[in-house]
Amino acid sequence: QKEVEQDPGPLSVPEGAIVSLNCTYSNSAFQYFMWYRQYSRKGPELLMYTYSSGNKEDGRFTAQVDKSSKYISLFIRDSQPSDSATYLCAMRSTETGANNLFFGTGTRLTVIP
Amino acid sequence: NAGVTQTPKFQVLKTGQSMTLQCAQDMNHEYMSWYRQDPGMGLRLIHYSVGAGITDQGEVPNGYNVSRSTTEDFPLRLLSAAPSQTSVYFCASNSGRYTGELFFGEGSRLTVL
Repeated sequence: QKEVEQDPGPLSVPEGAIVSLNCTYSNSAFQYFMWYRQYSRKGPELLMYTYSSGNKEDGRFTAQVDKSSKYISLFIRDSQPSDSATYLCAMRSTETGANNLFFGTGTRLTVIP
Repeated sequence: NAGVTQTPKFQVLKTGQSMTLQCAQDMNHEYMSWYRQDPGMGLRLIHYSVGAGITDQGEVPNGYNVSRSTTEDFPLRLLSAAPSQTSVYFCASNSGRYTGELFFGEGSRLTVL
């Protein structure tokens, strides 16, 4: 069993829709949770970063972490065609270094104008 | 500001050949790492470094070698290429142990025939 599970999609939504992306994990030691966005043929770039449980909002993006359920989510409000990309969840524990992340497989999102 | 630069962007090798993927960063980051990205597997850590002269193995180190003689450079060597090493390779850097954001290069696409 992979440490981080993510539905690969693909997910296709109309412009303006609310998008929900999710990951589950098995390692209860994970404390740092991240969402990266990856455009085609590019490297991933950090979108959201949260520590432990709770919510974090940044513009149209909201990240949620539920450690009791080992479940994290990313919500995108008023989705735009420019949001079309692959979204990767990533996480790590406090014991491992900041560059030792465990990634989900990514969910490919297409926002249709 | 170039960030993380990887070369080459594309490479085709024959089984048994060796090669080096180059990675350089100009952000004065102490931490650097190499990941490979495969369909259905997500990003997996190959090797990482926490400073010049210090390297360690990640999740999938077999068949790869690294060294870190300077803060800026972190080359990845394939010792004897195998078809299983066909992948997209990403180099990343970050500024410290507890800093969440990895800065990724644009990737190197390797095909081993």
